[in-house]
Amino acid sequence: DTAVSQTPKYLVTQMGNDKSIKCEQNLGHDTMYWYKQDSKKFLKIMFSYNNKELIINETVPNRFSPKSPDKAHLNLHINSLELGDSAVYFCASSPESGNTGELFFGEGSRLTVL
Amino acid sequence: SQQGEEDPQALSIQEGENATMNCSYKTSINNLQWYRQNSGRGLVHLILIRSNEREKHSGRLRVTLDTSKKSSSLLITASRAADTASYFCATLSNNDMRFGAGTRLTVKP
Repeated sequence: DTAVSQTPKYLVTQMGNDKSIKCEQNLGHDTMYWYKQDSKKFLKIMFSYNNKELIINETVPNRFSPKSPDKAHLNLHINSLELGDSAVYFCASSPESGNTGELFFGEGSRLTVL
Repeated sequence: SQQGEEDPQALSIQEGENATMNCSYKTSINNLQWYRQNSGRGLVHLILIRSNEREKHSGRLRVTLDTSKKSSSLLITASRAADTASYFCATLSNNDMRFGAGTRLTVKP
């Protein structure tokens, strides 16, 4: 019954590896997001998709590539992982396009790069 | 870049006391939202206040918004140990939502 689910919850990997985090929402929302929360708890938007189309792409390295196969899924692929990529990544969805309303967050995926 | 800045960064109170957290922001907004994050969990939406509203209530929560001062406050009355969490304000401005760094609230039983 989880509304926004993301996997894996924990991911430990070596520098230089490529990894993916998956996100699915069963709320029927049109808009999905990826946020990054660093060790100081700052929450920063990375990407936003509306009905499979990219609408927000913050200043994020090209090593990060979101993919939305359908409007219920938004996956995050990270190439050539670096130490600074260690953070908690949150997927979220919103029922309204244009980011006007309440966000529904997943439980987060804690990425540790060694 | 961040938009909202919460104050204080950390707050520790006894159960039953009221907790007040403040948020200041820099640009004009469409609405302001407050979220709660329990340790190791995702953020949960608490309350939304639109730019033309000044005060809103939801249960033990009271939110005020002063657009002239670009600030908002979240009041939690009669706090409980279960209210222990981080609280974030988020501002929506031109379809762009930005979060502050949060206030860490500890409610001691």
